[in-house]
Amino acid sequence: EVQLLESGGDLVQPGGSLRLSCAASGFILYNSAMNWVRQAPGKGLEWVSAIGGFNDNTWYADSVKGRFTISRDNSKNTLFLHMNSLRVEDTAIYYCAKALGSSPRTASHSWGQGTLVTVSS
Amino acid sequence: DIQMTQSPSSLSASVGDKVTITCRASQGISNFLAWYQQRPGKVPNLLIHGASTLQSGVPSRFSGSGSGTDFTLTISSLQPEDVATYYCQEYDRAPLNFGPGTRVDLK
Repeated sequence: EVQLLESGGDLVQPGGSLRLSCAASGFILYNSAMNWVRQAPGKGLEWVSAIGGFNDNTWYADSVKGRFTISRDNSKNTLFLHMNSLRVEDTAIYYCAKALGSSPRTASHSWGQGTLVTVSS
Repeated sequence: DIQMTQSPSSLSASVGDKVTITCRASQGISNFLAWYQQRPGKVPNLLIHGASTLQSGVPSRFSGSGSGTDFTLTISSLQPEDVATYYCQEYDRAPLNFGPGTRVDLK
């Protein structure tokens, strides 16, 4: 059974940094495309970033490009989102989601429970 | 970037009603379109991928259609547990944008 468990969400000041983790079980992380999707309080879903399976190809939303980095530790079967220069508008629940295939050009069929990032002074 | 729009933004319907939600892409995306359901306070759940392929475990009252720029999600007979917000998402090219969502309530 696929399971995804996010952690690392916290209250951080504007301009600060944070690293989110997504521990994966039930499948080999390296083989699958993975996404980070966020949802601001009371708002809709916003795709943030993706990493391809079997390679290190990455994609980013314009709103986070240059500030966020997606990566994975294959030995720990864990996905990361490194977030720098955080802004108030980055406040959201961050979900990791597993794609149906090894390409990000597939839908996300398994989602974690999310971790809350709050950016405030 | 491909922009996704949905209509209506919200709707109220009775149990047993047929419900239709539309999603439009600003450029052609073939069938690289998914529909997700998010119940209040819950995690998003994949309903449809490839515009019309029902995800395993999803009730058959849900169906999807369309290709190119115009897509439809249909609930053939609305049930109380279908109260949720529904999102479309294109995954043809980055950024993999979601639509703004359609909130479905019971009348």
